[in-house]
Amino acid sequence: DAGITQSPRYKITETGRQVTLMCHQTWSHSYMFWYRQDLGHGLRLIYYSAAADITDKGEVPDGYVVSRSKTENFPLTLESATRSQTSVYFCASSEADSNQPQHFGDGTRLSIL
Amino acid sequence: DAKTTQPNSMESNEEEPVHLPCNHSTISGTDYIHWYRQLPSQGPEYVIHGLTSNVNNRMASLAIAEDRKSSTLILHRATLRDAAVYYCILRVVYNFNKFYFGSGTKLNVKP
Repeated sequence: DAGITQSPRYKITETGRQVTLMCHQTWSHSYMFWYRQDLGHGLRLIYYSAAADITDKGEVPDGYVVSRSKTENFPLTLESATRSQTSVYFCASSEADSNQPQHFGDGTRLSIL
Repeated sequence: DAKTTQPNSMESNEEEPVHLPCNHSTISGTDYIHWYRQLPSQGPEYVIHGLTSNVNNRMASLAIAEDRKSSTLILHRATLRDAAVYYCILRVVYNFNKFYFGSGTKLNVKP
């Protein structure tokens, strides 16, 4: 089925390690997004991408790196994980019009010890 | 930047209508009002959006005040599956940075 999938669903790692969260969508949507959601709070935008090879910072980009070599994939990398990056991470995609709905994955729960 | 204010929680009885309020007193003329909801352990799900006029879809209705400083999401007959956190968001056209979820309203539906 078409959709947006995130992997892994759960990840435990240690401070200082590099970790990459994967996001794949099958709709050929132009835009893709990464958000983090901390316990009891709403979502905050980390990075977004308007198309392959075009990315831009969101509200909380520090400590994260993204790339988008193919339209369907948008990986998020924590180059040196810190405890403050423990969170649930959501990937989303949408059509080119910024007023179109965003479609979200089920999230990756990341714990950094 | 335009932000929204919502009650932290609300409660409803099953099969009764629910009116979820949202205040956005600093809204600008190009801000669209979007509503998403998030069920436990899932990603947010789009519900409805509008600019000035009231909007209806299969999930809900959106009533927007004439001065656009507030809006109300209406679930016509709440079901247990509607129990979720509902987010009211302002979206600036062609500016993806300006998409603040806020902390939302947690809706509890009683059988």
